[in-house]
Amino acid sequence: QVQLVQSGAEVRKPGASVTLSCKASGYTFSRYHIHWVRQAPGQGLEWMGWINPNTGGSHYAQKFQGWVTMTRDTSLSTVYMELRSLKSDDTALFFCARSLGGLFDSWGQGTLVTVSS
Amino acid sequence: DIQMTQSPSSLSASLGDRVTITCRASQSIANWLAWFQQKPGKAPKLLVSKASTLESGVPSRFSGTASGTDFTLTISSLQPDDFATYYCQQYSNYPYSFGQGTKLDIK
Repeated sequence: QVQLVQSGAEVRKPGASVTLSCKASGYTFSRYHIHWVRQAPGQGLEWMGWINPNTGGSHYAQKFQGWVTMTRDTSLSTVYMELRSLKSDDTALFFCARSLGGLFDSWGQGTLVTVSS
Repeated sequence: DIQMTQSPSSLSASLGDRVTITCRASQSIANWLAWFQQKPGKAPKLLVSKASTLESGVPSRFSGTASGTDFTLTISSLQPDDFATYYCQQYSNYPYSFGQGTKLDIK
């Protein structure tokens, strides 16, 4: 069955960077874009961008440009998202999601990133 | 950017009740709208795509409708498992956007 398994919770100090991973299984990795969605504590869902695992091409929401970099390793069927220069209000749960035609039909379990001094 | 305005933000209802959640897009999205259910600490679950197509395995008490830029999600008879937060999302144009969410709890 389709599965997206995300890396475990992370704690970082302000100014640090973190890289999250999302490992896909149960389908052909290259055929579906992977999107990332942020959810701050007690808040709603916010779309961040996507990566095309086939080409490595990516597209980010304007507010995340310069802060986020999405990459992939096709040999591991894994997508990565690096977040830089973290601030305390970047504390959030980050989800990866598979999409075909923009529809998010399968999600990872989420990775909590806590930014605290 | 397309804004998705979802209402109500919270809703209290009883088992067996019929509830409706609405979502309005700030411009045409040609029915490229999805509904998700999310429980605390969990990933969202896709319920409805293309405004009215029920996903496989989703109970038939859920339904979605569309009229222009107005969309609704209806639960015909609330069951215990339905108490959660619901989000609409447009996937017509980048940046994709979600409604603010509707928290459905037990009256």
